[in-house]
Amino acid sequence: EAGVAQSPRYKIIEKRQSVAFWCNPISGHATLYWYQQILGQGPKLLIQFQNNGVVDDSQLPKDRFSAERLKGVDSTLKIQPAKLEDSAVYLCASSSRDVERNYEQYFGPGTRLTVT
Amino acid sequence: AQSVAQPEDQVNVAEGNPLTVKCTYSVSGNPYLFWYVQYPNRGLQFLLKYITGDNLVKGSYGFEAEFNKSQTSFHLKKPSALVSDSALYFCAVRDEPFNKFYFGSGTKLNVKP
Repeated sequence: EAGVAQSPRYKIIEKRQSVAFWCNPISGHATLYWYQQILGQGPKLLIQFQNNGVVDDSQLPKDRFSAERLKGVDSTLKIQPAKLEDSAVYLCASSSRDVERNYEQYFGPGTRLTVT
Repeated sequence: AQSVAQPEDQVNVAEGNPLTVKCTYSVSGNPYLFWYVQYPNRGLQFLLKYITGDNLVKGSYGFEAEFNKSQTSFHLKKPSALVSDSALYFCAVRDEPFNKFYFGSGTKLNVKP
């Protein structure tokens, strides 16, 4: 089966600009996660969707970050306006309804964002 | 507070020797524990998990991990390291029943020929 797809792989923007990342999970996976991984740190969960509903967005900086999963399949994460500290790799992951009982997450390759 | 700690930023081991990458956790409910590996410019790959049952779990690429409830640890082990095992390893915990995942800061494993 195809893995989790993310685009773009790399993005360079100036501070105060906006940017959007796209994720297409593994087919049939109900749960989708967005993580932020700053260099030298472990991934930090930004938002978790179950189908098209938000399960957890407690660590999402809502003044500048937004995410949606309108049809319960692919998802978009947006940053507007970007700050220098947003430079990181943004990882998308998904898990299935069955596998989720054991909570295995499958990760995409990530989008490396550089804010200058 | 819920958390995961990986006390070693880096572990160096010679090829053929056993390796251990340490992880301790703190959760309020039952822990579901995971190890992931990350190669350069790649996403995280699942290695193994502990949900319940035997304290020693076996995973991909010859890795295993031992769950120790009294020490709240879940150390990753391999009897004989390979140069190709060199990568960044992350421990993670899912805190039941809050359905929240927490990752450690990662340990860089260097296996030298």
